[in-house]
Amino acid sequence: EPEVTQTPSHQVTQMGQEVILRCVPISNHLYFYWYRQILGQKVEFLVSFYNNEISEKSEIFDDQFSVERPDGSNFTLKIRSTKLEDSAMYFCASSEWQGMFFGPGTRLTVL
Amino acid sequence: AQTVTQSQPEMSVQEAETVTLSCTYDTSESDYYLFWYKQPPSRQMILVIRQEAYKQQNATENRFSVNFQKAAKSFSLKISDSQLGDAAMYFCAYTIQGAQKLVFGQGTRLTINP
Repeated sequence: EPEVTQTPSHQVTQMGQEVILRCVPISNHLYFYWYRQILGQKVEFLVSFYNNEISEKSEIFDDQFSVERPDGSNFTLKIRSTKLEDSAMYFCASSEWQGMFFGPGTRLTVL
Repeated sequence: AQTVTQSQPEMSVQEAETVTLSCTYDTSESDYYLFWYKQPPSRQMILVIRQEAYKQQNATENRFSVNFQKAAKSFSLKISDSQLGDAAMYFCAYTIQGAQKLVFGQGTRLTINP
């Protein structure tokens, strides 16, 4: 069964460093997303991406964040200068009419 | 703004019994979709069940079913014959027709007692 994959599963970084989280959405899906879940809290929408451009972003998704689809399969989230409060689980998702399907997540720890 | 509310932070049920998780939402839209996601300790988000607002018939997936009350803006999840593997956080989520993001509730932690 097709699934969304994410790498790495866990990323540890120093405050101020740049990180890139990687995702491979389900191949025939057209919409891609990043969500964030701070430990113990609900899942929050960050950004959606369609036709090689951002279609919607939340207020969380400020200038330190960017997304890219560098080739036909990968979808990345870059955080330019990480802050302590960026520590969270980051989920990639892709969707089609049957619903939104999430990857296993990347746990980002900022020290 | 659309909001989703899960009023039960925690629920517990005996194995093999039935449990119902509550969810209410606020929207002025007429076309939308509602979902329940399961998040086990691994923290993966797993789609459990999906309901289209234009459908009057409640969705069912094996032991999982919903009670969708559109006028009341209520979308509860019923789990029948609870199993130990059902233990997880359950999130209710909403999206409008054509929109591209899910709005999640705060989650309900379900414990299954053997």
